Order: sequence, then structure tokens, then C-alpha cells
Amino acid sequence: QQPVQSPQAVILREGEDAVINCSSSKALYSVHWYRQKHGEAPVFLMILLKGGEQKGHEKISASFNEKKQQSSLYLTASQLSYSGTYFCGLAGGGGTSYGKLTFGQGTILTVHP
Amino acid sequence: GAVVSQHPSWVICKSGTSVKIECRSLDFQATTMFWYRQFPKQSLMLMATSNEGSKATYEQGVEKDKFLINHASLTLSTLTVTSAHPEDSSFYICSASTPTGGYTFGSGTRLTVV
Repeated sequence: QQPVQSPQAVILREGEDAVINCSSSKALYSVHWYRQKHGEAPVFLMILLKGGEQKGHEKISASFNEKKQQSSLYLTASQLSYSGTYFCGLAGGGGTSYGKLTFGQGTILTVHP
Repeated sequence: GAVVSQHPSWVICKSGTSVKIECRSLDFQATTMFWYRQFPKQSLMLMATSNEGSKATYEQGVEKDKFLINHASLTLSTLTVTSAHPEDSSFYICSASTPTGGYTFGSGTRLTVV
């Protein structure tokens, strides 16, 4: 089942912050975040494993709440290069779901000067 | 590290012909690769899981006879769209799990069937 992302789209000015949420009705093993520019393949941002961990890389960080079955991506002091479509990908556990990522519908982020 | 090379980047073919898309892992061994299809302004939809040396596993609703997947070595997986039709026009992307736990994607192939 496809995870649900919110918001569907967000417009920012450079330097503003944004939060993108991803929730699932199924138990999660890990959450992956990707950014895709128009006409290009998705680029891996980070992976979070169950355990409520939070990760970050410079001004982009993410949290994973296993109990609530949701993850959030935080973008602070946004830059023009942050523009793109953000996808969360949820990985199931073992068995036939192992390794498969199911992607959310995407959140379009546009950063203006 | 963990680079997947995909080609061609784009291809235009006539209706009824077949097109082969290749994905190679350049600096690691990929026992499993995943093939996705993405329509404009939509998410990536998993088509199939390609396993080295065995048959691919297709997602529900994906025609295995139309989308032939071969994973003959630890570094190469191919997707062949057979008897392509305009409705098969899409962005096809492969991915592989990396030694560090994430997934790396190929650069994608934009297929246009005329």
C-alpha cells in the first residue's frame, strides 16, 4: 500500500524551512528519502531504520516514528538547489517484501529567490 | 561509490518493435535489482524485482511476457519491452541496493513509442 505524503506541494523563499511528512498504514522496517529533479532519476538523501532514530546532513534531517508509522523530512534554511520532488520510500520486512520500496506520491518543493 | 549505469537515456521506437534497457552496477555486485516505471508527475511504481541467476518477480498487474527481465550476471540486469505500444511510453528506472544500505538508481530511460 502506497504511503501518503503531505503536503502535495510547497513553495518557499530561499532561507525558509519546510517539513514533509510520510505516513503508512503498514508496519515499517525502514524509511528512505529521495529527491528527484525534473527529467532525472531520484537521488538518495538518507535512510532511517526503525528505532525512532533521527538523521541529518547539514540542513536536511529526518525522523522516523515507528509507533506512529510515519517519518518527517526537515529542510531548514532552504536553498534554490532544494527544489524538486521529494519521495519517501518505505521498505517492508522480510519474505516477499524484502528489499522492495513502495514510494509515496511525492511532494513538489519549489524554492524561489 | 555504488553507481548504477543505465542506458540508453532515451529511445524512440515504432509501435510493435522491442526495446532493451540495460542497467549495470559499476563498482559493486548487485544480486538484486528493481525496475520501476514512472509516468509524468507521478510516483515510481515498482514493476519487478530482478534476481541474479533466477526468474524475476513481477508486481501484480505487470505483464511478464511484455516486460522481459534478465539478470544474467551480478552486474547486469536488462529490461526488454516487447511489442511496444504508445501506452508503454514512460520513464523506466532501475535501482539496486548498495553495500551501505540505501538504494542507488540508474539515470533512467525515457521511452517514447510512436
